[in-house]
Amino acid sequence: KQEVTQIPAALSVPEGENLVLNCSFTDSAIYNLQWFRQDPGKGLTSLLLIQSSQREQTSGRLNASLDKSSGRSTLYIAASQPGDSATYLCAVRSGTNAGKSTFGDGTTLTVKP
Amino acid sequence: DAGITQSPRHKVTETGTPVTLRCHQTENHRYMYWYRQDPGHGLRLIHYSYGVKDTDKGEVSDGYSVSRSKTEDFLLTLESATSSQTSVYFCAIRSEHHNYGYTFGSGTRLTVV
Repeated sequence: KQEVTQIPAALSVPEGENLVLNCSFTDSAIYNLQWFRQDPGKGLTSLLLIQSSQREQTSGRLNASLDKSSGRSTLYIAASQPGDSATYLCAVRSGTNAGKSTFGDGTTLTVKP
Repeated sequence: DAGITQSPRHKVTETGTPVTLRCHQTENHRYMYWYRQDPGHGLRLIHYSYGVKDTDKGEVSDGYSVSRSKTEDFLLTLESATSSQTSVYFCAIRSEHHNYGYTFGSGTRLTVV
C-alpha cells in the first residue's frame, strides 16, 4: 500500500525567501504525482503534474521535481509572497492511469510580510 | 472551479436522515471521485466512478452509496447520517488522458447533529 508523507506539517518563512516543500512516497511504481494548493475553507487547486517519465515541471515561481528511485518529490517556491500562504498537498497515483491516488496530509505554509 | 460544481455548499442535517450530495461536471470526463477531508486524516476516498453506472468503493465507503446515471452527474448518498459523517466532502474529476490530473470542486460542508 502506497504511503505518502509530507514533512514538515507546518512552515513559516519571511517574505522573499526561497523554500522547498517535501513529499515522500514508499512505492516507487508511480504513474504521476500532482501538487495542489488549498486555501482555508476552499477546494484544492492543481499546481503542477509530473508524469513518472519526467524529472521536473515548472510554472512561474514554482518548480516541482521527481526522483522515483528515492521516493521523493519537492516543490520549490521562489521569492515567496504572503499570497503563497496556504496548505500544499501532493497526490501520488500508483501503477497505471486508472490507478488510485494517495494524498499526503499537506504542509501548511505561512509567509510573513 | 470551472467545469465542476458541488451542491449544496453547506448542509446541516439530523442523525438518521438520508442526505444526497451532488457533483456536476461539464467537462465530459470519465472519472469522478468523492473524498472526505477531516483534520488528522487528510483526504480519504469514499467512492469513485469510471463511467456511467460503473462505480467502485474507496477506503471509507461504509455508510455511503453513489450513483452515476449520466456522465455529468455523480451523487453521493449518506443512507442514514451519523455524527461521524460530519466532514467536508469534495468531488473531483479526471480525464482518461494521461496528461491530466484531478480537478476538485469547492466542497460541501456537512454537519450532522
